[in-house]
Amino acid sequence: DVKVTQSSRYLVKRTGEKVFLECVQDMDHENMFWYRQDPGLGLRLIYFSYDVKMKEKGDIPEGYSVSREKKERFSLILESASTNQTSMYLCASSPEGARIGEQYFGPGTRLTVT
Amino acid sequence: TQLLEQSPQFLSIQEGENLTVYCNSSSVFSSLQWYRQEPGEGPVLLVTVVTGGEVKKLKRLTFQFGDARKDSSLHITAAQPGDTGLYLCAGAPQGAQKLVFGQGTRLTINP
Repeated sequence: DVKVTQSSRYLVKRTGEKVFLECVQDMDHENMFWYRQDPGLGLRLIYFSYDVKMKEKGDIPEGYSVSREKKERFSLILESASTNQTSMYLCASSPEGARIGEQYFGPGTRLTVT
Repeated sequence: TQLLEQSPQFLSIQEGENLTVYCNSSSVFSSLQWYRQEPGEGPVLLVTVVTGGEVKKLKRLTFQFGDARKDSSLHITAAQPGDTGLYLCAGAPQGAQKLVFGQGTRLTINP
């Protein structure tokens, strides 16, 4: 079974803090994605990566950055957390050549910024 | 503006009833996916539909892709409490390399 794990299930941070969200997948997938999920908006793509050290902006990259130094690990960084970044963050992965919509998701990190 | 519009956004019905969830767009999709998400978990892929007019069945769930590949529906027959969850449609518009999601339908099946 594909397993995508995220470093924390719940996280509370203060405004202005630098926040790191870690995602690890164990199936040697090339593609990795970060989404945020908000009620009534579905999932929105923040950043994605098709290879190590490669990154592409999604639909809402402002206020975020990412790092992919190893194939299995994709980190999302909030440079200076703000209250409007309170959300559920979901990481996903997929193998090279898979249909773009067929992704494996982690359990999510619920981030609260106070 | 959502590229994929799901309706209804909330649905609460009694066990044994039938229901249909809709996913509509003005864009053409090369494929559409349906996911189910349970509380505290990430979405899990249920099905992919690829061909216009395609119908796929997964036990009591029937998924249909519109002839023009702009819309899809999920029909559940004789709903069970275990069907409770958030149902999400998703797809990449033709030519795009990014996945978009509908807002989701929160389904509650009451015993």
